[in-house]
Amino acid sequence: EAQVTQNPRYLITVTGKKLTVTCSQNMNHEYMSWYRQDPGLGLRQIYYSMNVEVTDKGDVPEGYKVSRKEKRNFPLILESPSPNQTSLYFCASSSHSQGRAEAFFGQGTRLTVV
Amino acid sequence: AQKVTQAQTEISVVEKEDVTLDCVYETRDTTYYLFWYKQPPSGELVFLIRRNSFDEQNEISGRYSWNFQKSTSSFNFTITASQVVDSAVYFCALSEEYDNAGNMLTFGGGTRLMVKP
Repeated sequence: EAQVTQNPRYLITVTGKKLTVTCSQNMNHEYMSWYRQDPGLGLRQIYYSMNVEVTDKGDVPEGYKVSRKEKRNFPLILESPSPNQTSLYFCASSSHSQGRAEAFFGQGTRLTVV
Repeated sequence: AQKVTQAQTEISVVEKEDVTLDCVYETRDTTYYLFWYKQPPSGELVFLIRRNSFDEQNEISGRYSWNFQKSTSSFNFTITASQVVDSAVYFCALSEEYDNAGNMLTFGGGTRLMVKP
């Protein structure tokens, strides 16, 4: 079954404690992306990757890091989380970067930073 | 830069009513793609439709229909005879063919639809 898998689904952490949210896709997609969802703002892109070892900033990259060492995995790293990073996070993958193919989304990770 | 506006933040209807969710977009590209996603209370994003900028035909899928009008830069979504299971947040999104910033999708703020029995 084609899918994007994020872990964990829920996470409560304290300010400053490094964390990683994993994302894995089994569709051999080149393009992967991370979004955060906040009320009234929709989803905003944090980082994206067009292929292995190719990553770039999206609209709201501050406070986040990513890596793409393998095609299937695209982890999101918060080196020093702060309360304003409390949000719902989605990982997505697609065979094309610009809308020519459907984007597949993970089930989301609800992060709370206290 | 591209932008998507969903002016209706919340809509409440009674079951069996028809409801239209508005979506207005801005883009400088001549080639682009428009999407609608549904987010039920469980939180996942469910893909509903993708439409490219050269296809202005309206689309109907069961109780769902979409009206794409380039003249007004709108891509509205209508649910006919709404049901309680339609209660969700609905997102409209845009993707440009030649987006240099690598944006896969630019989302609107979402419209929360509540269908009451």
